[in-house]
Amino acid sequence: EIVLTQSPGTLSLSPGERATLSCRASQSVGSNSLAWYQQKPGQAPRLLIYGASSRATGIPDRFSGSGSGTDFTLTISRLEPEDFAVYHCQQYGGSLSFGGGTKVEIQ
Amino acid sequence: EVQLLESGGGLVQPGGSLRLSCAASRFTFSRYAMSWVRQAPGKGLEWVSVINDSGGTTYYADSVKGRFTISRDNSKNTLYLQMNSLRGEDTAVYYCAKDPDGGPGGYFDYWGQGALVTVSS
Repeated sequence: EIVLTQSPGTLSLSPGERATLSCRASQSVGSNSLAWYQQKPGQAPRLLIYGASSRATGIPDRFSGSGSGTDFTLTISRLEPEDFAVYHCQQYGGSLSFGGGTKVEIQ
Repeated sequence: EVQLLESGGGLVQPGGSLRLSCAASRFTFSRYAMSWVRQAPGKGLEWVSVINDSGGTTYYADSVKGRFTISRDNSKNTLYLQMNSLRGEDTAVYYCAKDPDGGPGGYFDYWGQGALVTVSS
């Protein structure tokens, strides 16, 4: 089983700042099969990125994904008020698994 | 837009059973694999089970293997999760989630709003 470790656990930033979230896999993720989701309190997750770097339908271009192998990054270029949420990574290159999440909070 | 609506959650005693349903609409249900993903209170997401488009292939997380059964009725556009021998650690919000294609084991492009299952005496 591939274990995903997300860091940091919490990221405290201000609107307009750049957010960089990390997702590290215990072994190489085949075919860059990594997705990112956003989840707000009391809501279901929403798909942001799949295939490590492809934006899902309707996702603003301030969200971008990068990385390969075992190291992946989600970048939010300029935080909007609605971007403060929890972000989860998921790998689907083997048996499915999620990371523990990163909370992006207002500083 | 795609709609997924879970039902069947509630309070159940340890060792009991519960069946969750997920009614799908606004897409051709029979063409896509479907999954259940759960989230314990204050915790991260945990994949539970997946079924392919035809219902002929299923996979389970080790934590639920032998206790949970995923199934689907394509004529009713409905996904199911039969949960038996429930334990306290199964307490979670259970989401049904749609795969982007018919084969199992991908990411999830749409999610339902979730059904809360509480296992407690």
